Amino acid sequence: AQSVTQLDSHVSVSEGTPVLLRCNYSSSYSPSLFWYVQHPNKGLQLLLKYTSAATLVKGINGFEAEFKKSETSFHLTKPSAHMSDAAEYFCVVSGRGSQGNLIFGKGTKLSVKP
Amino acid sequence: DTGVSQDPRHKITKRGQNVTFRCDPISEHNRLYWYRQTLGQGPEFLTYFQNEAQLEKSRLLSDRFSAERPKGSFSTLEIQRTEQGDSAMYLCASSLGGSSDTQYFGPGTRLTVL
Repeated sequence: AQSVTQLDSHVSVSEGTPVLLRCNYSSSYSPSLFWYVQHPNKGLQLLLKYTSAATLVKGINGFEAEFKKSETSFHLTKPSAHMSDAAEYFCVVSGRGSQGNLIFGKGTKLSVKP
Repeated sequence: DTGVSQDPRHKITKRGQNVTFRCDPISEHNRLYWYRQTLGQGPEFLTYFQNEAQLEKSRLLSDRFSAERPKGSFSTLEIQRTEQGDSAMYLCASSLGGSSDTQYFGPGTRLTVL
């Protein structure tokens, strides 16, 4: 069965400092992996996705993630945090076969201090 | 607006009442998904449609829940005899199809059962 574990429920950074949100996955086959962001009172928005092409995936708003099969990790990074990055971030793996249903982690709340 | 829309955005009901939610996917998207998100958790898959066919249902979808997509366009999710445990955000997403295709989410319907 597929699953994702987000290692931190809450991360706090200062504006202008790097962001690291950690995610480990479990999958019995080559997974599709995603990061979604959820701002308060707004819908989930896709940041980036990995689908077995390049292991370093670039997304919107300066975010990127690296797929590391040996470590079963898909950590999300950004060189410099902005106040507008404050939100809930979800690491996601695609479900088994062609179903396509997404399996979400519990989320990491990112706070950005001025 | 060509995104996924959901109606209503908020619903407050009394225990035992029936409620129905509507989702309008992005036109030309073949797949439509329903998820449920409770406070402090990531969304959990409920069911999905490929055109008008309901192809998968999660064990979370009890007999009190029913979903339809009669013409392969909009979908409805009905909950009968609501319980306080049904209080959650109900999210709809659509995609072109395939397990790695991006799912675009609507803003959700927040259900409160008193």
